[in-house]
Amino acid sequence: GEDVEQSLFLSVREGDSSVINCTYTDSSSTYLYWYKQEPGAGLQLLTYIFSNMDMKQDQRLTVLLNKKDKHLSLRIADTQTGDSAIYFCAEISNTGKLIFGQGTTLQVKP
Amino acid sequence: KAGVTQTPRYLIKTRGQQVTLSCSPISGHRSVSWYQQTPGQGLQFLFEYFSETQRNKGNFPGRFSGRQFSNSRSEMNVSTLELGDSALYLCASSLSTVNYGYTFGSGTRLTVV
Repeated sequence: GEDVEQSLFLSVREGDSSVINCTYTDSSSTYLYWYKQEPGAGLQLLTYIFSNMDMKQDQRLTVLLNKKDKHLSLRIADTQTGDSAIYFCAEISNTGKLIFGQGTTLQVKP
Repeated sequence: KAGVTQTPRYLIKTRGQQVTLSCSPISGHRSVSWYQQTPGQGLQFLFEYFSETQRNKGNFPGRFSGRQFSNSRSEMNVSTLELGDSALYLCASSLSTVNYGYTFGSGTRLTVV
């Protein structure tokens, strides 16, 4: 079936790197996404990776995809207090709907 | 370029009433999807419309319905509201489906009392 799992909480110090992990089950997913949600706001698309890629870098964000293990990670370099938010991993099903993980709350301590 | 606009932002309704939420997608986007977000269930897919046709539907009761107009604007309706319908309802639009990330609106916070 379709399922996406994430750890629920991560706490880091400002300036450190953050790594948020995600596992998914649908091997036919063509794209995998990372969204960010700040309090009281909707979801902001941070980045996405196509399933035939291993890595994608976008400024401070690095996405790693291990398709064999169905594991996706998001690394945020030089984490800032403004990065504090909930981060959602999502895969797109073959019917076109997004399947989200439970979200990882990132707490950045000054 | 305007983003996805959802109205109203906040809504308080009484059990048994019905409610209509509105979503205006990004200009040129023809796919509109709706999601429900609750603390207990997380983000769950409601339905997706493309060119006025419902293409996908999630596992929600028939009280939840939607439609899309020729200008791609979409509405969702919930009839006979229950306390458990209290949630953040998010609308997302996309040029198509699989190949592009969806852009989400800020959501409508519905509280049922």
